[in-house]
Amino acid sequence: QQQVKQSPQSLIVQKGGISIINCAYENTAFDYFPWYQQFPGKGPALLIAIRPDVSEKKEGRFTISFNKSAKQFSLHIMDSQPGDSATYFCAASMDSGAGSYQLTFGKGTKLSVIP
Amino acid sequence: GAVVSQHPSRVICKSGTSVKIECRSLDFQATTMFWYRQFPKQSLMLMATSNEGSKATYEQGVEKDKFLINHASLTLSTLTVTSAHPEDSSFYICSALGQAYNQPQHFGDGTRLSIL
Repeated sequence: QQQVKQSPQSLIVQKGGISIINCAYENTAFDYFPWYQQFPGKGPALLIAIRPDVSEKKEGRFTISFNKSAKQFSLHIMDSQPGDSATYFCAASMDSGAGSYQLTFGKGTKLSVIP
Repeated sequence: GAVVSQHPSRVICKSGTSVKIECRSLDFQATTMFWYRQFPKQSLMLMATSNEGSKATYEQGVEKDKFLINHASLTLSTLTVTSAHPEDSSFYICSALGQAYNQPQHFGDGTRLSIL
C-alpha cells in the first residue's frame, strides 16, 4: 500500500531554532521525495526535493536528510523564522504509468514559529 | 519558475449550480495535470489524473459524472463540478507536470468552492 507517514502533526519552535519534520514510507519503488510548503488559502509550493541516490540536500536554511535503508526522510529548517509558519507536506512519487508520477502526500505538519 | 494559474480563486453559488474551474500552465507544456481536493486541516486528496487528449483517470470513490475533467490542450485542464451541493464545498487544487523526466508537480493556488 502506498503510504507516507508524517510526524509530528504540529510543531511549535522558537525563532532561531531548528524545526524538524519526519516522514517514513513503505514502497521502495518511490524514487522522488519532495517537500511542499502551504500557507492558508494557497496551493502547496515546492520547497526542496531529493532522490534516493543522495543522503542529504541543502538549499539555504532547508535541508533534507534521506535514509534509504530505514525508508525515512526528514526536513530540517535552520534558524526558523515566523515567516516559516505554514503547513509542510512531505510526499513521494514514482512513475505510475504513462509518465504520470502521482504524488503520495503525508498528512502535513503545522509549524508555528514564535518570536 | 514554473507557474500554474488556477481560476477562479473563490466561488460562492447556490445548490444545483454547475461550477467550472480552470487550471493553466503558463510557461510550460503540461502533458499531465492532477486535481486534488483538500478539506480544512487535512492533506491533499487526489481526485483524478488528467492527460492531454485522453480521458481522465479517477481515483476510487470519486464520481466521474459529478466531477467532469477536460484536458483539451497542453496548457489547460478544467474541472466542472456538476449540480453542486453543500457537501461539494471544499478547496480544489490543480497541479501540472511538465514533459521532462521526473519533473516536480507545480500547484495552482486553489479554488475555494462554497455551495449554499
